[in-house]
Amino acid sequence: AQRVTQPEKLLSVFKGAPVELKCNYSYSGSPELFWYVQYSRQRLQLLLRHISRESIKGFTADLNKGETSFHLKKPFAQEEDSAMYYCALLLDQTGANNLFFGTGTRLTVIP
Amino acid sequence: DAGVTQSPTHLIKTRGQQVTLRCSPISGHKSVSWYQQVLGQGPQFIFQYYEKEERGRGNFPDRFSARQFPNYSSELNVNALLLGDSALYLCASSLGVSEQYFGPGTRLTVT
Repeated sequence: AQRVTQPEKLLSVFKGAPVELKCNYSYSGSPELFWYVQYSRQRLQLLLRHISRESIKGFTADLNKGETSFHLKKPFAQEEDSAMYYCALLLDQTGANNLFFGTGTRLTVIP
Repeated sequence: DAGVTQSPTHLIKTRGQQVTLRCSPISGHKSVSWYQQVLGQGPQFIFQYYEKEERGRGNFPDRFSARQFPNYSSELNVNALLLGDSALYLCASSLGVSEQYFGPGTRLTVT
């Protein structure tokens, strides 16, 4: 069965410190993974997807099929990075494309 | 474009009642998905509609139903409400595969 695990519910780092939000997945097919972010009082929005291999707001995430991981990283955390982060796996079920979300990690960047 | 819009913002219902939630997708988007987000959890897939046809359904009872209209807007209906249906209901629209844009959600409280 498919699964997305985000082991840390809460993560606090100091401003300027590196940050890594962990995501592990279980999926029998070829995975397509995303990171979504929700800032305070804002809607859920796409941060990045592994297919595009781009860096958004300084964040990167590499798909590691051997370790079944898709960790989100940023070398120098900023206060505006404080938010809720969700890792999501795209499932293709009989023509539908639905996202399977992890439980999320709340990141707090301490000034 | 205002993005995905949902109405109402908040709703309070009593156990056993029925509720209808509404969603308007981004202009040009033909696919609408519905998610339920219970406090402390990630969003959970309920339905996806594409070109007015149901493309996928998550693990939800038959009390949950949805439809999509010719203008691609969508309604989610929940019958015989239970306390456990209290959640944030998110709508997302997409052009096609994968990248989904979320609305602000409707907060449903069942008392």
